[in-house]
Amino acid sequence: GAVVSQHPSRVICKSGTSVKIECRSLDFQATTMFWYRQFPKQSLMLMATSNEGSKATYEQGVEKDKFLINHASLTLSTLTVTSAHPEDSSFYICSASSRGFLIDGYTFGSGTRLTVV
Amino acid sequence: AQSVAQPEDQVNVAEGNPLTVKCTYSVSGNPYLFWYVQYPNRGLQFLLKYITGDNLVKGSYGFEAEFNKSQTSFHLKKPSALVSDSALYFCAVSETDSWGKLQFGAGTQVVVTP
Repeated sequence: GAVVSQHPSRVICKSGTSVKIECRSLDFQATTMFWYRQFPKQSLMLMATSNEGSKATYEQGVEKDKFLINHASLTLSTLTVTSAHPEDSSFYICSASSRGFLIDGYTFGSGTRLTVV
Repeated sequence: AQSVAQPEDQVNVAEGNPLTVKCTYSVSGNPYLFWYVQYPNRGLQFLLKYITGDNLVKGSYGFEAEFNKSQTSFHLKKPSALVSDSALYFCAVSETDSWGKLQFGAGTQVVVTP
């Protein structure tokens, strides 16, 4: 089936540095990529939606200058957490859709555990 | 705007007993409904979805769900729970008739005891 590869799975960074998270669709073209944030034992909060070649659409309350999203190709989307702070520590998950092409509708990456120290 | 409610934070069931995880939704038109399962520090695994057609949907690992339009519900069920079914379960709905962004429920922790 369709696979989205998300890297890294875990990252620890110092406060003030930037971290990039990648999501690649391995065997299909992801026309839309969704980025979620999840706090421990809580639901997924949608941060932004990106379509290939377009600027991302951010949800209310999400700082677009802090969470930079790039969807330059149909198989790659990246989330960069700029000037990270401890409160940015969280579990980040990407999800790809391809307008009904995918049997499951959406395919999720395995997630990235970000810890800012 | 669409919304999803999972009224139970946690469901406890003994192994071999039936398992039900409740979900109700609210959308303006026809929903696309999904169930996902999440194990610790992992992404979401797809269980099943309802788009159209038969109201009873059968999915992975012996799970099934019934779409009930009049009650706006999409409860997840498994006839005989396994200890390995212990995980966090999410119900989700997408915008009407589209593959747009998903709205997730709060999640239900399922604990299956031996």
